[in-house]
Amino acid sequence: QVQLQESGPGLVKPSQTLALTCTVSGGPISSDNYYWTWIRQPAGKGLEWIGRVYTTGGTNYNPSLKSRVTASVDTSKNQISLKMSSVTAADTAVYYCARDLGYSWLDPWGQGILVTVSS
Amino acid sequence: QSVLTQPPSASGTPGQRVTISCSGSSSNIGRNSVNWYQQLPGMAPKLLIHSSSQRPSGVPDRFSGSKSGTSASLAISGLQSEDEADYYCATWDDSLISVVFGGGTKLTVL
Repeated sequence: QVQLQESGPGLVKPSQTLALTCTVSGGPISSDNYYWTWIRQPAGKGLEWIGRVYTTGGTNYNPSLKSRVTASVDTSKNQISLKMSSVTAADTAVYYCARDLGYSWLDPWGQGILVTVSS
Repeated sequence: QSVLTQPPSASGTPGQRVTISCSGSSSNIGRNSVNWYQQLPGMAPKLLIHSSSQRPSGVPDRFSGSKSGTSASLAISGLQSEDEADYYCATWDDSLISVVFGGGTKLTVL
């Protein structure tokens, strides 16, 4: 079955760019026309949708984050990526990737990666 | 402030039936199906209900979902201690052109 695994630096300095990768195993991400989604969760708080990227590269982003976020897909590596620029402490959260089967039907999810923004 | 409104907490005793509500608007729940997620302590969220009322394979039939107008509900019958978790509703918002989540409901099994 499809499994997702997030990776990237656990610590990012303020004003820098956060870069995360989600590696998909269990099948080629290009085999089905799904969206691949990024979600985050600050400690003790709820889930926030960041954005999604289609297998052909089309994207949608949370309007509140749109100016700082870029999601992309690399079918040759079976990976999706997230870049978030000009980070602040408010971007400290656990970041999850998930497959989007259609309009918020997210399954499965990765285990998540904690990213801390601090100098 | 979440686009979808959920009660912050709910509770019940073992064996009881508990419902969690999720209120939205005509641009989200009113037009699109709702999905529910269960997040056990320290774990990633897991799909519990999709398409407003469908249970994925492996989810006990104690869990059920429904939608009416601009609101949705998750019902858990025969409450068990392992159901203690955070529950989130989610849907697509046609105006925001984004996925929106509820603020989450922390379920306590007394």
